[in-house]
Amino acid sequence: QSVLTQAPSASGTPGQRATISCSGSSSNIGSNNVKWYQQLPGTAPKVLIYSNNQRPSGVPDRFSGSKSGTSASLAISGLQSEDEAEYYCAAWDDSLNGWVFGGGTKLTVL
Amino acid sequence: EVQLVQSGAEVKKPGESLRISCKASGYNFTNFWIAWVRQMPGKGLEWMGIIYPGDSDTRYSPSFQGQVGISADKSISTAYLQWGSLKASDTARYYCARLEYCGGDCYFPAFYFDYWGQGTLVTVSS
Repeated sequence: QSVLTQAPSASGTPGQRATISCSGSSSNIGSNNVKWYQQLPGTAPKVLIYSNNQRPSGVPDRFSGSKSGTSASLAISGLQSEDEAEYYCAAWDDSLNGWVFGGGTKLTVL
Repeated sequence: EVQLVQSGAEVKKPGESLRISCKASGYNFTNFWIAWVRQMPGKGLEWMGIIYPGDSDTRYSPSFQGQVGISADKSISTAYLQWGSLKASDTARYYCARLEYCGGDCYFPAFYFDYWGQGTLVTVSS
C-alpha cells in the first residue's frame, strides 16, 4: 500500500488530453512540493515535473503539473503513442522523514 | 555526460549475502547524494535510503532501516547496496538515483532525482 494514492490506470486517444491524479496528506503533498516521474516500459524512471509544476529542460510543454491542498495532478495534452508509460507522483513525507511515491498509473494511448 | 551504471542481474538463495553497485561518471561523485529505490515485480517505487559520498552521511527509510546497508567508495565513484541475509521478498529491481545538486546540508523536500541507473534485478529463490 503506497503512501500516495493514484488510480492504477488511465487512457486516452491520440491528440486528447489525459489527467492523472495523486492524493496524499498534510505530511507529504500538503506541506511539500510534488514530483512526477515517467517510466517507459523496461526503462528507469525519468523526472517529468518538479516543484509541483516545473519541467526540467527537454521535457515537452505538453506535460504540466498542478497541486491543490493534499492532491496533485499531471496533465498530458496532445497525447502521443510514446506517452504510454507508468507515471508516479512523489513527495517528501515529514512524518516518515523520507520520499514517498504513489503506486503508479499506467497510461494507455488507445 | 552523467551516467550511473549498475552491476548485473543476480540470482541468490535465501540466507545468502549480496552487494550490488552503482558506478557514477561525468560529475563530481562526492558532491551529490545517491539514493536507492526498490521496485518489486509489477509494483511501484519505494525509496530505501540515501548517502552523501562526500562524508558518507546515510539516511534510511524506516521500512528498510536494519534490513539493508548503503555505502560508497569515493575513490572509485561507486555506491553500494548490500544485504546480509537475503529473503525471497527481496526479489525486485533496484535502482540507484542521483539527487540534483543540493550540497551536503540538503533540504531534501525541495529536490528531485535527476539521473537514474538502469536498475539491477535481484532474484532470491531456493
